[in-house]
Amino acid sequence: AQSVTQLGSHVSVSEGALVLLRCNYSSSVPPYLFWYVQYPNQGLQLLLKYTTGATLVKGINGFEAEFKKSETSFHLTKPSAHMSDAAEYFCAVSTNSGNTPLVFGKGTRLSVIA
Amino acid sequence: KAGVTQTPRYLIKTRGQQVTLSCSPISGHRSVSWYQQTPGQGLQFLFEYFSETQRNKGNFPGRFSGRQFSNSRSEMNVSTLELGDSALYLCASNNFPGADTQYFGPGTRLTVL
Repeated sequence: AQSVTQLGSHVSVSEGALVLLRCNYSSSVPPYLFWYVQYPNQGLQLLLKYTTGATLVKGINGFEAEFKKSETSFHLTKPSAHMSDAAEYFCAVSTNSGNTPLVFGKGTRLSVIA
Repeated sequence: KAGVTQTPRYLIKTRGQQVTLSCSPISGHRSVSWYQQTPGQGLQFLFEYFSETQRNKGNFPGRFSGRQFSNSRSEMNVSTLELGDSALYLCASNNFPGADTQYFGPGTRLTVL
């Protein structure tokens, strides 16, 4: 079985500061890892994903994440927060077997203070 | 390409009623998954359909059902609604099961009174 833990249900940063959202996963097979963002009253938008290959992946809106197998982590970062980054962020895991749905973390709400 | 569309966007029902939600996947996508999002439980997988067949089912009671049509459009049905069924229901599509990216629709907000 797979699981995802997102540390911190709410993170608050100042505009221009570093954004760091933490995600740890559990998977018995090589994982696919994802970060999705959700704005109020909207669905989920894919920010970035890791499947195979390079462990540092870059996504949209200046976000990136690094897959660290030894730490079972996939933390999301952005060097400089913008007001428009305020949203809820979800980390998710699946596998390449084709038989496992996405398993999501509980989400982290990011607030950006002017 | 148009994205995943879901109808209706908002729905209010009373306990005991039933409801049907609709999802149209991205053109060419044949796999559709449904998720329930609530403040308490977060995002939980309901079921997945591919080529009109249910491939996976989450841990939900039999009141929750779904189907997929030959044009890949999908519906989910909830019978005998309970207050706890109030949630955002999200549909996601991808090319085929196991494809590495799912694309989500805007969701249907169901309120049960």
